[in-house]
Amino acid sequence: QLQLQESGPGLVKPSETLSLTCSVSGGSISSSPDFWGWIRQPPGKGLEWIGSIYYSGSTYYNPSLKSRVTISVDTANNQFSLKLTSATAADTAVYYCVREQKCSGGACYATEYWGQGTLVTVSS
Amino acid sequence: DIQMTQSPSSLSASVRDRVTITCRASQSVDSYLNWYQQKPGKAPRLLIFAASTLQSGVPSRFSGSGSGTDFTLTISSLQPEDFATYYCQQTYGAPPRTFGQGTRLEIK
Repeated sequence: QLQLQESGPGLVKPSETLSLTCSVSGGSISSSPDFWGWIRQPPGKGLEWIGSIYYSGSTYYNPSLKSRVTISVDTANNQFSLKLTSATAADTAVYYCVREQKCSGGACYATEYWGQGTLVTVSS
Repeated sequence: DIQMTQSPSSLSASVRDRVTITCRASQSVDSYLNWYQQKPGKAPRLLIFAASTLQSGVPSRFSGSGSGTDFTLTISSLQPEDFATYYCQQTYGAPPRTFGQGTRLEIK
């Protein structure tokens, strides 16, 4: 059973870089045509897709965050990471790492696997 | 970017009611539309993918329909465990992906 676990600081100062890592167990991050990504949810609000990295290494980002976001993969450690520069209070959210995989029997993609989420607060 | 709009934003209903939630895309997403359920303090759960295919383990009282720009999620007979927030998400072509703003389903 695939499992994803986020890790990283729970508190980040304004203007600093928010950095999170997602550790993947129960499957290889490079063995199948999946997207590995990040989704966030500000307190009391909806889901916002941040970005993802395809198993081939191609990256895709939310246009509203693109200038500040980097997602990378560490295949040796079966992990992938998120960096969000110039953090502000608006970046305070629960951050989920996810696997978006090809749907069974189809050409679509869907996010079946989610980490438990980690709250990151941006505050001085 | 493709924008997703859900309606209503919130809904009050009773156990055994039939409820329908609507999701509209700003341009055609074919059938590349997923639905998720989220309970407080938990990660979202995939309910339906490709507009109408039930994810394994999801009760058959959930169903989805639509294609192009207009989609619906229907719960045929609400159960106590169904009170949650529901999100649609488009996965048309390559990312970026977008979610609807969510529909909060509350007990009347």
